[in-house]
Amino acid sequence: NAGVMQNPRHLVRRRGQEARLRCSPMKGHSHVYWYRQLPEEGLKFMVYLQKENIIDESGMPKERFSAEFPKEGPSILRIQQVVRGDSAAYFCASSPQLAGYDEQYFGPGTRLTVT
Amino acid sequence: AQTVTQSQPEMSVQEAETVTLSCTYDTSESDYYLFWYKQPPSRQMILVIRQEAYKQQNATENRFSVNFQKAAKSFSLKISDSQLGDAAMYFCAYLPAGGTSYGKLTFGQGTILTVHP
Repeated sequence: NAGVMQNPRHLVRRRGQEARLRCSPMKGHSHVYWYRQLPEEGLKFMVYLQKENIIDESGMPKERFSAEFPKEGPSILRIQQVVRGDSAAYFCASSPQLAGYDEQYFGPGTRLTVT
Repeated sequence: AQTVTQSQPEMSVQEAETVTLSCTYDTSESDYYLFWYKQPPSRQMILVIRQEAYKQQNATENRFSVNFQKAAKSFSLKISDSQLGDAAMYFCAYLPAGGTSYGKLTFGQGTILTVHP
């Protein structure tokens, strides 16, 4: 069973460009979470999605950031008009179900660098 | 809002010795989960150990064990017989068992552990 896949692993964007980060959850997992890790800090929750639904986006900046998890295909975290402060590692995690405790399995992360 | 605090930015230990990493948290919930994650230089997040708040018994996984003090809201990690491969950043994390924040892991700031040969 392949783990959580994220691509690209490294992404370089110039200020003002768009960044698209992809996350394929583990097989059988229908819940996806995105976290951001700024340099020298812990991970901060951004958004929690189920297939075709955003469950909790309380950690997502109000502007320029959006996330989706379509019925088919990977989850996408999209950052429009990137700024230097968006440079960070973005981690995706997935879990199988809502009821009871679900361990979140993390992907290897995407390191975004904005120049 | 829940908060997780790791007061030790860095710790070091000699190989084969024991080290304890500290973590405190703040919550008004009575049911929740606590975790320790390891992040080596590869940046992959690896679950080390998990504790359910309703269990009084401290969790143990091989050389890793926790000291869970629910009343004090303290959750420390003890690593016995430290190995060079234990060197990493360690994060303490909190997960509510229900409510509107369900699914949202809250992480501490991390502790960098260095293991000396």
